[in-house]
Amino acid sequence: QKEVEQDPGPLSVPEGAIVSLNCTYSNSAFQYFMWYRQYSRKGPELLMYTYSSGNKEDGRFTAQVDKSSKYISLFIRDSQPSDSATYLCAMSGSAGNMLTFGGGTRLMVKP
Amino acid sequence: DADVTQTPRNRITKTGKRIMLECSQTKGHDRMYWYRQDPGLGLQLIYYSFDVKDINKGEISDGYSVSRQAQAKFSLSLESAIPNQTALYFCATSDSKTASWNTEAFFGQGTRLTVV
Repeated sequence: QKEVEQDPGPLSVPEGAIVSLNCTYSNSAFQYFMWYRQYSRKGPELLMYTYSSGNKEDGRFTAQVDKSSKYISLFIRDSQPSDSATYLCAMSGSAGNMLTFGGGTRLMVKP
Repeated sequence: DADVTQTPRNRITKTGKRIMLECSQTKGHDRMYWYRQDPGLGLQLIYYSFDVKDINKGEISDGYSVSRQAQAKFSLSLESAIPNQTALYFCATSDSKTASWNTEAFFGQGTRLTVV
């Protein structure tokens, strides 16, 4: 079993919908939780990160972490066609740990 | 110009051939990484380097080798390419001197490698 699991999708939604992307993990040492966005034929770029449990909001994006359930989510409000991309969750522990990535979820937002 | 540059962007090679993928960065970061991306498997770490004299194996290093020629350059070699090494390869950097060193990696555009 992989340390970080993510539904590959694809997830297709109409423009304006609320999107929920999720990851589960097994390593309780993870403390930093990231979401990367990868457009087609591009490298991933950090979208946002959260330390430990709780919520973090950035514009239309909200990241949630539930460490007790080992479950993280990314919500996208008022989704736009420009949000169409692959979203990868990533996690790391304390000093010295590398990023561990989920498999990515492909999102398509249709006009 | 891109901060993290990978060459070539696309490459088709034959089984058994040696091939080198190159990465250079202008970000001044000390840490560099090579990842492999396969559909549904996310990014798997091949090798990483914390500085020129510090090179470490990642989770899938078998069949690969690396060289850190300078702080700005990190190359990945496939000594004898095989078809199951067909994948998208990414170089990435991070800066140990910033608070985001373990949350943010900066990726190149990727190299699409096909081994036939």
